[in-house]
Amino acid sequence: NAGVTQTPKFRILKIGQSMTLQCAQDMNHNYMYWYRQDPGMGLKLIYYSVGAGITDKGEVPNGYNVSRSTTEDFPLRLELAAPSQTSVYFCASSYPTPEAGETQYFGPGTRLLVL
Amino acid sequence: AQSVAQPEDQVNVAEGNPLTVKCTYSVSGNPYLFWYVQYPNRGLQFLLKYITGDNLVKGSYGFEAEFNKSQTSFHLKKPSALVSDSALYFCAVRDRFNAGNNRKLIWGLGTSLAVNP
Repeated sequence: NAGVTQTPKFRILKIGQSMTLQCAQDMNHNYMYWYRQDPGMGLKLIYYSVGAGITDKGEVPNGYNVSRSTTEDFPLRLELAAPSQTSVYFCASSYPTPEAGETQYFGPGTRLLVL
Repeated sequence: AQSVAQPEDQVNVAEGNPLTVKCTYSVSGNPYLFWYVQYPNRGLQFLLKYITGDNLVKGSYGFEAEFNKSQTSFHLKKPSALVSDSALYFCAVRDRFNAGNNRKLIWGLGTSLAVNP
């Protein structure tokens, strides 16, 4: 299993540009998450999905959109990039069972710089 | 409101000495508790979790954590630290009775562990 994969690893955007951060998992997990990590701020949940076709907002959804057309893929869309979106973005997935407690498995991250 | 506190931004310990990284939590019900580790320029890796049963949980790389319900704590410990343990450590919690769209982890801000040779 590849686990959770993310592309690209690093990207520089100009203000106002748009891009899609890709995330895929091959563990048949139905829960998927997008986080951003800023220095000293821990992890902030952007959006999450409990299954194909179902998405919901997290703590900091403004400026982002997601879709979940398949179990495997959970892309994150930035429509109008702003410097405040400079961050490291992590995708994660989990399978909710009482035994697992919904252990989350993380991708390697995408480092985004908006100039 | 549910919350997680990691009271120390940084912990320094000498190699070979025991280490402790602290975590306290606040949830309305019974918690699921997790520790994750993040090495430089990497994603988070699951380290260990408390779901039910024995309060002392053993995880990867020789780490363990003790669930203390009366003190609402879940401190991470290791008897003998290695330089390679230097990383960022995150504690996370979820109320096990949250259902549906409330099934999200609450994360601490992280503690940077530095193990000195």
